Amino acid sequence: EVQLVESGGGLVQPGGSLRLSCAASGFTFSSSAMTWVRQAPGKGLEWVSSLISSGTSTYYADSVQGRFTISRDNSKNTLYLQMNSLRAEDTAVYYCAKGGMSSSGLDYWGQGTLVSVSS
Amino acid sequence: QSVLTQPPSVSAAPGQKVTISCSGSSSNVVNNYVSWYQQLPGTPPKLLIYENNKRPSGIPDRFSGSKSGTSAILGITGLQTGDEADYYCGTWDSSLSAGVFGGGTKLTVL
Repeated sequence: EVQLVESGGGLVQPGGSLRLSCAASGFTFSSSAMTWVRQAPGKGLEWVSSLISSGTSTYYADSVQGRFTISRDNSKNTLYLQMNSLRAEDTAVYYCAKGGMSSSGLDYWGQGTLVSVSS
Repeated sequence: QSVLTQPPSVSAAPGQKVTISCSGSSSNVVNNYVSWYQQLPGTPPKLLIYENNKRPSGIPDRFSGSKSGTSAILGITGLQTGDEADYYCGTWDSSLSAGVFGGGTKLTVL
């Protein structure tokens, strides 16, 4: 059974940092593209970032480019999202998803972790 | 606003059919695969359709996808109250080198 479990969310002040983790199991993590998607309270889905299986190619939404860094540790079956210089508008539930937007879609999703940016 | 345009809401009676459109451009819908997601209240999104018209294992054939030109369509037949959810289309935008979602469509089964 495929499982994606996010952690690391919480309350942070504007300008602060957080690192989200996504522990994956039930599939060959090292062979899968992975994606972060967020959803602000009461709003729609927003693609945040993706990286290919090897981790050598990464992609970011303009809204987070230069502030967020996606990475993976294939030895730990874990996906990360380092978030720096956080803003109020980054407040959202962050979902980890298996796959990429350009291929077979995002076929499995985690339950999400809430990030709140507020003073 | 979103790169992909969806109607904010659609509604139909139980047992009826509904379609949800997703309008884009040559840099996204025309030249890339479109996927569709269902988000029930309080839950993560779930993949309904991938590669324009394919259903993952376990998705009933009441759900279908199609694409023509700059638009993709999600069709749902035999509507059930349990289909009430938000539906999103998504794809890759080759010009932006970014993933894109539609703004979402809220389906109400009257």
